[in-house]
Amino acid sequence: DAGVIQSPRHEVTEMGQEVTLRCKPISGHNSLFWYRQTMMRGLELLIYFNNNVPIDDSGMPEDRFSAKMPNASFSTLKIQPSEPRDSAVYFCASSFVGLETQYFGPGTRLLVL
Amino acid sequence: KNEVEQSPQNLTAQEGEFITINCSYSVGISALHWLQQHPGGGIVSLFMLSSGKKKHGRLIATINIQEKHSSLHITASHPRDSAVYICAVSLSNDMRFGAGTRLTVKP
Repeated sequence: DAGVIQSPRHEVTEMGQEVTLRCKPISGHNSLFWYRQTMMRGLELLIYFNNNVPIDDSGMPEDRFSAKMPNASFSTLKIQPSEPRDSAVYFCASSFVGLETQYFGPGTRLLVL
Repeated sequence: KNEVEQSPQNLTAQEGEFITINCSYSVGISALHWLQQHPGGGIVSLFMLSSGKKKHGRLIATINIQEKHSSLHITASHPRDSAVYICAVSLSNDMRFGAGTRLTVKP
């Protein structure tokens, strides 16, 4: 298996632009997680899906952030409009069941200028 | 006060030394995870445990639910163990993370 796939690996954009991060979980995994990592706040869980349904999005910072999982093999995290404070590494992870052992993607390093 | 506290924040060891990283938490959890983040940024899940002890190669993780404490041990440490080790706890529908322990193992 190729593991969790994220794209793009790096993104540089200007403040106000829309940013879309993509994730393909490991085939057969039922849960998908989006995390953000910054120097100041460390790792934070933004949202997670179980069987394509969002379970808890209380970690989503504000309305500028949205996440979708239209099918079992694809998820997006969208930021619109982006702000410099959104600069971070965004990780996607998947697991077979809920908050069990998770497999992390390589991350997307986002820089908003 | 953070819900998940790790100690030490930074640790430098000589190759071959026995290493212990500690994690204390203040909330009710369903499981505790130990993650390893490599210098390149990739994250690997090392252990998930809800009781007792688990061992994988030179790594051992223990948890004491009553004391709300977990330890990660590395025996015969090697420079390739140099990484940030992160403790995370699973709540009912959420996760909380420690700030991480940066381990450097010198040859």
